[in-house]
Amino acid sequence: EVQLVESGGGLVKPGGSLRLSCTASGFTFSSYWIHWVRQAPGKGLVWVSRINGDGNNTNYADSVKGRFAISRDNAKNTLYLQMNSLRAEDTAVYYCARESQSNSRCFDSWGQGTLVTVSS
Amino acid sequence: DIQMTQSPSSLSASVGDRVTITCRASQNINIYLNWYQQKPGKAPRLLIYAASSLQSGVPSRFSGSGSGTVFTLTISGLQPEDFATYHCQQSYSTPRTFGQGTKVEIK
Repeated sequence: EVQLVESGGGLVKPGGSLRLSCTASGFTFSSYWIHWVRQAPGKGLVWVSRINGDGNNTNYADSVKGRFAISRDNAKNTLYLQMNSLRAEDTAVYYCARESQSNSRCFDSWGQGTLVTVSS
Repeated sequence: DIQMTQSPSSLSASVGDRVTITCRASQNINIYLNWYQQKPGKAPRLLIYAASSLQSGVPSRFSGSGSGTVFTLTISGLQPEDFATYHCQQSYSTPRTFGQGTKVEIK
């Protein structure tokens, strides 16, 4: 069974840092693009970042570019999101999601999410 | 960036009703359109990919159609477990933008 489990969320002050993790199981982790998607309280889904299977190709939303860094350790089947210079507007549930290998490029598996709260 | 606009933002319906949600893209995205269902406090779940393909395990009362810039999600015979928020998403280009969501509530 495909599983993605996020961890690392919590309360952080504005300007602080946090590192999220997403641990995968049930599939060949290194063969898939993985994405981060966030959802502010009561709001819609917003794409944040993605990384390819080898870890050498990454993309970011403009709102996090220069502050967030996505990476992966395929030996540990784990994806990371290093979040620096956090702002109140970064408060959200953060999900990792696997991109399908089909031409559709849909997100066919999601983690349960981890809540990040940025507040003084 | 491609903008995705869903309508309506919310709707009230009864069990057994036929429900249609529309998603419009700001440019041609071919059939790179996916639909997700999300229940409160839960992660999104893939329902439809490539505009009209049903994800494995999803009931056949869900269907999708469209291409280019206009897409629809239809639920034929709404069931109690279908009351949720539905999100469309384009996978034509990065950033992978989502619609704002449509909340389906019980009438």
